[in-house]
Amino acid sequence: GENVEQHPSTLSVQEGDSAVIKCTYSDSASNYFPWYKQELGKRPQLIIDIRSNVGEKKDQRIAVTLNKTAKHFSLHITETQPEDSAVYFCAANGGDYKLSFGAGTTVTVRA
Amino acid sequence: GAGVSQSPSNKVTEKGKDVELRCDPISGHTALYWYRQRLGQGLEFLIYFQGNSAPDKSGLPSDRFSAERTGESVSTLTIQRTQQEDSAVYLCASSPTGGGEKLFFGSGTQLSVL
Repeated sequence: GENVEQHPSTLSVQEGDSAVIKCTYSDSASNYFPWYKQELGKRPQLIIDIRSNVGEKKDQRIAVTLNKTAKHFSLHITETQPEDSAVYFCAANGGDYKLSFGAGTTVTVRA
Repeated sequence: GAGVSQSPSNKVTEKGKDVELRCDPISGHTALYWYRQRLGQGLEFLIYFQGNSAPDKSGLPSDRFSAERTGESVSTLTIQRTQQEDSAVYLCASSPTGGGEKLFFGSGTQLSVL
């Protein structure tokens, strides 16, 4: 099955700076890579996703890049704001469509 | 409904008792997923349904765990003879397309086994 690894586990950034989270996956059959944001005590919510036929996707201050050859993908948040503080999870769907998640990155934006 | 609904939101039970957790997906969503999230941890895949069928049950932690889905709608996750290590938030998600895409999560059931 799919195995997703995520780094770093915690990330502290100054407001206005950028944050980058990196993930690797193992199953070459994976073709869908979403990112979820989970605020404290809340449910995970999809913030951006990318398919394997695309190398980069951007939505306002967030962007995701995918390197299929190296089997890694990254989330970039620019001009961070206090409301960006949350746990972020990457995921990959694997050939069996189970959607496996990384362990999560706790992002803290310092005012 | 407007979103994925889970009940109960909180469940406290004694070790050895059985519990049943319910998930009402978004109407029309064909795929339904169950995950477990221990405190401060990631999302552990348990099982998913495409329609009423579960193609892969290998994520269920033990034979004390079972799940079913009927009418391509409501799903129940049953844990028999609960143990303290079962304490966690159980999250349900539904998807309009399957393939692990576009999951919408419920608020979860916080299970505490004393």
